[in-house]
Amino acid sequence: AQSVAQPEDQVNVAEGNPLTVKCTYSVSGNPYLFWYVQYPNRGLQFLLKYITGDNLVKGSYGFEAEFNKSQTSFHLKKPSALVSDSALYFCAVRFYSGGYQKVTFGTGTKLQVIP
Amino acid sequence: DTGVSQDPRHKITKRGQNVTFRCDPISEHNRLYWYRQTLGQGPEFLTYFQNEAQLEKSRLLSDRFSAERPKGSFSTLEIQRTEQGDSAMYLCASSLAPQGASGELFFGEGSRLTVL
Repeated sequence: AQSVAQPEDQVNVAEGNPLTVKCTYSVSGNPYLFWYVQYPNRGLQFLLKYITGDNLVKGSYGFEAEFNKSQTSFHLKKPSALVSDSALYFCAVRFYSGGYQKVTFGTGTKLQVIP
Repeated sequence: DTGVSQDPRHKITKRGQNVTFRCDPISEHNRLYWYRQTLGQGPEFLTYFQNEAQLEKSRLLSDRFSAERPKGSFSTLEIQRTEQGDSAMYLCASSLAPQGASGELFFGEGSRLTVL
């Protein structure tokens, strides 16, 4: 089955420190991978995506993600965390099944940046 | 504002009542998705339209749920005979992606349903 997994329910990091939010995927064929962020009582906002090409992709708000095919991972990273980065982060994968396009989300990781 | 808009943002209803949510996607987007999100969970796929055609429905979408996109623009999601288990955030998203493309989804703010 096509899926994504976010192994950590919560990640705590001190302000100014680097952060990593983990995501692994299971997709046959070439995956299209995405990260979204959700602030309380709001919809999801797109951060970045990997389609093809350079394994390191850069996105909004200073975030980047590294695609690792051998480890089937797509971890979200930021060199220096801000308190305002505290939110819920979702990894997602887009794939074709039965001729239709589908997008499946992980269960989310709550990022808490401590001042 | 040219983003995805959803209405109402909040709906409180009694068990057994019918509710309807509306989604207005970004105008040039041909794909529209409905997701349901419960507390502490990621969005779960409900259904998906390309233009006015409803291409797929999740098994999560029981017979009490129906969605339409009559003119390929706005969409409605109706829940009949609501149950307490229907309490959730209902998210609408749209995208512009011809076959084989990889566009991201643009989400609305969601419609929160509380069934008493």
